[in-house]
Amino acid sequence: TQLLEQSPQFLSIQEGENLTVYCNSSSVFSSLQWYRQEPGEGPVLLVTVVTGGEVKKLKRLTFQFGDARKDSSLHITAAQPGDTGLYLCAGAKGANSKLTFGKGITLSVRP
Amino acid sequence: GAGVSQSPSNKVTEKGKDVELRCDPISGHTALYWYRQSLGQGLEFLIYFQGNSAPDKSGLPSDRFSAERTGGSVSTLTIQRTQQEDSAVYLCASSLVAWGGELFFGEGSRLTVL
Repeated sequence: TQLLEQSPQFLSIQEGENLTVYCNSSSVFSSLQWYRQEPGEGPVLLVTVVTGGEVKKLKRLTFQFGDARKDSSLHITAAQPGDTGLYLCAGAKGANSKLTFGKGITLSVRP
Repeated sequence: GAGVSQSPSNKVTEKGKDVELRCDPISGHTALYWYRQSLGQGLEFLIYFQGNSAPDKSGLPSDRFSAERTGGSVSTLTIQRTQQEDSAVYLCASSLVAWGGELFFGEGSRLTVL
C-alpha cells in the first residue's frame, strides 16, 4: 500500500502549457515536501509546506497544501523544457517520523 | 566538497558477491539517510542515523543489508550475497536536523547485479 499517491504518473506537454499534478493520501501529515530529480542526479528540494491551506510560490511553480493536510498540488504555469524531471512528494507524520516518498511524476516538456 | 558525495557512482557485480557503497555527508549534518530507488518505485527508506542515537533500521529489506556510520560522518551501506532484485540506485542524503528538515541528496550509486 502506497502511503502517498502521485498522479498522473507520466505527463508529456508542450512548452508554454500549464499543468497541475497531485499528491494524495488518506493520512494526515505534519509537513509535506516536493522534490525534483533530474536524470543521474539526486532529488533537490523545491518547497516544504506545513500549514493546512498553505500556498507557496516559486517562480512559475505554485504549491498548495490541502486544508486537512492530507494532500498537495503543484501547478506549473507556462512550462519550460527545463521543468522536465521527476517530481516527488514526501510527507512526514510528525517531527521525528520517517519521510515517506511517493512514486513520483515524470514530466516531459517538449520545446 | 560542499555536497553529499557517494561512491562508486556505478557498480556492476555478480550475483552472490558482497558490495559496499559509501556516503560522505555534508560537514556538520548530523542526520544521514539511505534510500533505494528502483524504476517506477519512488524512494524506499532503508536506514536513518541521527547523531549518537541508535539508527532506525526499520527499512532494511533483509539481513543481507547493513549500514554503519563511523565518527558521525562517513557511512557505508553493505549488501551481502547480492541478488538480482538488489539492482537499483542507492541514494544517500544528509540533513542538519532530524526528520522534517531539508534532505540534501548525493547523486546515488547505481548497482547492477548480473
